[in-house]
Amino acid sequence: GAGVSQTPSNKVTEKGKYVELRCDPISGHTALYWYRQSLGQGPEFLIYFQGTGAADDSGLPNDRFFAVRPEGSVSTLKIQRTERGDSAVYLCASSPGQWLGETQYFGPGTRLLVL
Amino acid sequence: AQTVTQSQPEMSVQEAETVTLSCTYDTSESDYYLFWYKQPPSRQMILVIRQEAYKQQNATENRFSVNFQKAAKSFSLKISDSQLGDAAMYFCAYPTQGAQKLVFGQGTRLTINP
Repeated sequence: GAGVSQTPSNKVTEKGKYVELRCDPISGHTALYWYRQSLGQGPEFLIYFQGTGAADDSGLPNDRFFAVRPEGSVSTLKIQRTERGDSAVYLCASSPGQWLGETQYFGPGTRLLVL
Repeated sequence: AQTVTQSQPEMSVQEAETVTLSCTYDTSESDYYLFWYKQPPSRQMILVIRQEAYKQQNATENRFSVNFQKAAKSFSLKISDSQLGDAAMYFCAYPTQGAQKLVFGQGTRLTINP
């Protein structure tokens, strides 16, 4: 079956602009995660959804970042007033449930470049 | 706070040989899982192997195996008979209790020499 998909694959924007990054999880997966990966680093957690609600948003760096998952499937990560420091690869992952050892299935990421 | 440390930024190995990637972690939890993920240039993270902490037997998946030492909080990945397709970034990761969010190490870049 289809894996996790993310669009766009690459996004170039100017400082101060607004961007939306989309994640389409594996069908039926209830848990959805967003991570941010800076160059040469491991991914860092941003936010976790269980169904439609954000169960943990402790990783969002500030109030310019916001994410939604209105129907419990597709999720959108929104970044307002982008800054050069927001440049990174944004990874989305989904999992069937939420038990501790559950495998998270990752998408190919969106590479965001803020000029 | 939980932390994961990978002390080898880069490793290289000859094709068909064996290589071991190291990982240490810090947690106060008694039962937990540990993961190794592979990230090729395509950027898509792929699960390589998983270990449950209460299981004493080391996990094995074909050419991939782990050396899990719970007391030392060490979780190394051994790749046997290395193949060119194994070249990638490898990340050790640990899911936190409650949110299951993964905490990743800094990664090890593995190069396979033909």
